[in-house]
Amino acid sequence: DSGVTQTPKHLITATGQRVTLRCSPRSGDLSVYWYQQSLDQGLQFLIQYYNGEERAKGNILERFSAQQFPDLHSELNLSSLELGDSALYFCASSVRDSSPLHFGNGTRLTVT
Amino acid sequence: AQKITQTQPGMFVQEKEAVTLDCTYDTSDQSYGLFWYKQPSSGEMIFLIYQGSYDEQNATEGRYSLNFQKARKSANLVISASQLGDSAMYFCAMRGPSTDKLIFGTGTRLQVFP
Repeated sequence: DSGVTQTPKHLITATGQRVTLRCSPRSGDLSVYWYQQSLDQGLQFLIQYYNGEERAKGNILERFSAQQFPDLHSELNLSSLELGDSALYFCASSVRDSSPLHFGNGTRLTVT
Repeated sequence: AQKITQTQPGMFVQEKEAVTLDCTYDTSDQSYGLFWYKQPSSGEMIFLIYQGSYDEQNATEGRYSLNFQKARKSANLVISASQLGDSAMYFCAMRGPSTDKLIFGTGTRLQVFP
């Protein structure tokens, strides 16, 4: 168990809808990262937060947004969903920049 | 730009044998970290081992060791005494100060047979 908690585990929704993925980092970790894993794109970095502030941005679509709350949990919001957004979404956390990232079990999103 | 290359899409190994999974990287950073992750069929990403670019000794964690050759920019994962439970996808990853993100290779699927 990595200590990173992601909910829900599975999500099935229709095109055009909006969903929210939730992540609780390991105790003591201030950084939260979101990654998308799809068959054709591999593991793609989306966004990083550190202690509530956006730290780095990757290949995140404008339809996607995220935030980190004062209690350090994070949410990834995906809107106007398309079939191509179907993927496994991972949250990870680390205690500092040079530390390994510890991943949650992921949320498998299926857009129909 | 930073890049991780894993040239072996798939590898087979017999139980109890050792196996090496290749990873080469490209970076202009002087200081960086190299990581290996395991992803079983159940989907979770499991951190295995870390090597810092200034570490003189190769990292080891139980049956996992990292064969770090800085001049060649390679960071191969060696799994000794393979077990059936080692069957999974293995990802090499790198992080450096020029980017705050951990970038991943495309992965190697390892299958251990009896």
